Amino acid sequence: DAKTTQPNSMESNEEEPVHLPCNHSTISGTDYIHWYRQLPSQGPEYVIHGLTSNVNNRMASLAIAEDRKSSTLILHRATLRDAAVYYCILIGSNYKLTFGKGTLLTVNP
Amino acid sequence: GAGVSQSPSNKVTEKGKDVELRCDPISGHTALYWYRQSLGQGLEFLIYFQGNSAPDKSGLPSDRFSAERTGGSVSTLTIQRTQQEDSAVYLCASSLEGWVEQYFGPGTRLTVT
Repeated sequence: DAKTTQPNSMESNEEEPVHLPCNHSTISGTDYIHWYRQLPSQGPEYVIHGLTSNVNNRMASLAIAEDRKSSTLILHRATLRDAAVYYCILIGSNYKLTFGKGTLLTVNP
Repeated sequence: GAGVSQSPSNKVTEKGKDVELRCDPISGHTALYWYRQSLGQGLEFLIYFQGNSAPDKSGLPSDRFSAERTGGSVSTLTIQRTQQEDSAVYLCASSLEGWVEQYFGPGTRLTVT
């Protein structure tokens, strides 16, 4: 199964942009790249997903490398409520899930 | 509208007992997933349902674990002869169809003493 690699932790200041990287060098052609986040003591929350093209929604943007071996989740203006563990996940057509260990994002006021 | 609900929210059981965890997905969602999260760990996929069928049960950690879904709605995760290593938060999620945006419930915290 394709694996993902994320930094264990990152830190940002409030109101500044945050770029959360994810490496997935063994991604297959049918794997979608999903991002979820988990706030303390809560279940995970969907953030965004994509296949090949960059994606934008109200929460974030997803930039996918041309070779698809890496992606970056972009929070345009971090708030204190964005402090969470961010998971980069590959979801393929064979229903297997591969979870990274996640990146703990700390947002400083 | 109502989100994914799970019951009980907390369960403390003695080693060796059987437990049943329930998940009520969002109405109309055909796909349902079970995960577990041990303390300080990431999410571990357990099983996926499309309708009442489970195409892949290979995430279930042992044959003490089983899950069923009836009427394309409610799902039950059963753990027989619980062990201390089964202690974790068990999360359920649902989605309109396979592998699109998943909505998670609040989880059931299982403690095996």
